[in-house]
Amino acid sequence: SQTIHQWPATLVQPVGSPLSLECTVEGTSNPNLYWYRQAAGRGLQLLFYSVGIGQISSEVPQNLSASRPQDRQFILSSKKLLLSDSGFYLCACHRVEGLAFESYEQYFGPGTRLTVT
Amino acid sequence: AQKITQTQPGMFVQEKEAVTLDCTYDTSDQSYGLFWYKQPSSGEMIFLIYQGSYDEQNATEGRYSLNFQKARKSANLVISASQLGDSAMYFCAMREVISSGSARQLTFGSGTQLTVLP
Repeated sequence: SQTIHQWPATLVQPVGSPLSLECTVEGTSNPNLYWYRQAAGRGLQLLFYSVGIGQISSEVPQNLSASRPQDRQFILSSKKLLLSDSGFYLCACHRVEGLAFESYEQYFGPGTRLTVT
Repeated sequence: AQKITQTQPGMFVQEKEAVTLDCTYDTSDQSYGLFWYKQPSSGEMIFLIYQGSYDEQNATEGRYSLNFQKARKSANLVISASQLGDSAMYFCAMREVISSGSARQLTFGSGTQLTVLP
């Protein structure tokens, strides 16, 4: 099964500062990768997804961006953080190999808790 | 319009009792997937159970079972013999196609906070 690593685990950043969150995946090749954000006490909102190296799609317009420089590496960035960027960021992986990939669950990483002050 | 509805913000259950967490969904797709995830206070999202829209049998995974009623568009999670460690937030989610190809989006409900009482 897949293992997803995220770092840092927690981060406190001032408004206007840059951001870089990293996600790496082990145990599968050419996965679909996703960035979700969870506001306090809420469900998850999809931010970005990637079906391959260099292929990024955005679901929500914002001051965040994502990149996938390697097959199993997914990075979430910002040039200038806003207060509204605070939240819990989760990276997820979806294995797509095989004919029955519809049944493959999305595995989630441990998350990064971001507080913008 | 909300696609996943969880109407119980909080639930309490006595240890060793069974509990049902409600989930209704809305989709016009013929093929979709329904998931339940558990999120303890640590924040990690833990996959519990999956039900495909074409699966005729209700999914079961150990103490977890999914009561799938397609005509009613409901996918309730049943936890049997509750344990103290089951206390957590539980999310129902539906997988939808984002675009042509393999990308899939999970749309989450607002969650149910389950507390197991000793």
